[in-house]
Amino acid sequence: GAVVSQHPSWVICKSGTSVKIECRSLDFQATTMFWYRQFPKQSLMLMATSNEGSKATYEQGVEKDKFLINHASLTLSTLTVTSAHPEDSSFYICSIDKRVGKSEQFFGPGTRLTVL
Amino acid sequence: QKEVEQDPGPLSVPEGAIVSLNCTYSNSAFQYFMWYRQYSRKGPELLMYTYSSGNKEDGRFTAQVDKSSKYISLFIRDSQPSDSATYLCAMSGGNNRLAFGKGNQVVVIP
Repeated sequence: GAVVSQHPSWVICKSGTSVKIECRSLDFQATTMFWYRQFPKQSLMLMATSNEGSKATYEQGVEKDKFLINHASLTLSTLTVTSAHPEDSSFYICSIDKRVGKSEQFFGPGTRLTVL
Repeated sequence: QKEVEQDPGPLSVPEGAIVSLNCTYSNSAFQYFMWYRQYSRKGPELLMYTYSSGNKEDGRFTAQVDKSSKYISLFIRDSQPSDSATYLCAMSGGNNRLAFGKGNQVVVIP
């Protein structure tokens, strides 16, 4: 497998503030990382693909100015939720693809965001 | 029609029973098939990864893929209370994009 960590594991913030979530690949140099969102009792929804050293690719309907992604190194990608609102409250999970092109993705433990 | 169909109905079984889960799909381009286990408030854990039709066994887990019928299954033998979790099927055509099923909540009763 692959070891992926996320920080923080949970965060509560006030509406209008920004929150940064870190995703680290601990034993693999990941040129590509993925960010997902999961609402209660729902499956995972891909938000964006994070590429090291270049701009992220966002899925249709995901606002790139609201969900800022930075993949500055082969082991770290960050997701910043800007001007968070209660509807952004969700479980955010990152993953890495250890076999590029063969879709063997390993997920982090997730970050639970609650916006008051 | 959704790309991946997984009946999300909860499943309760007694300890020691065989758990049988399945997904169907419509996209013939899918060639990589995965089963993930997700405990409450945790990230998904990769259980099984296959790319060919047939069976793949790992301990108490067996993944089965039938590409001609566009049908995949996961069997858990000798189920344990620790197997209680949500099981998600996922598949891909190799472009790094995973299509997920809705997930099955499994409860193994001691």
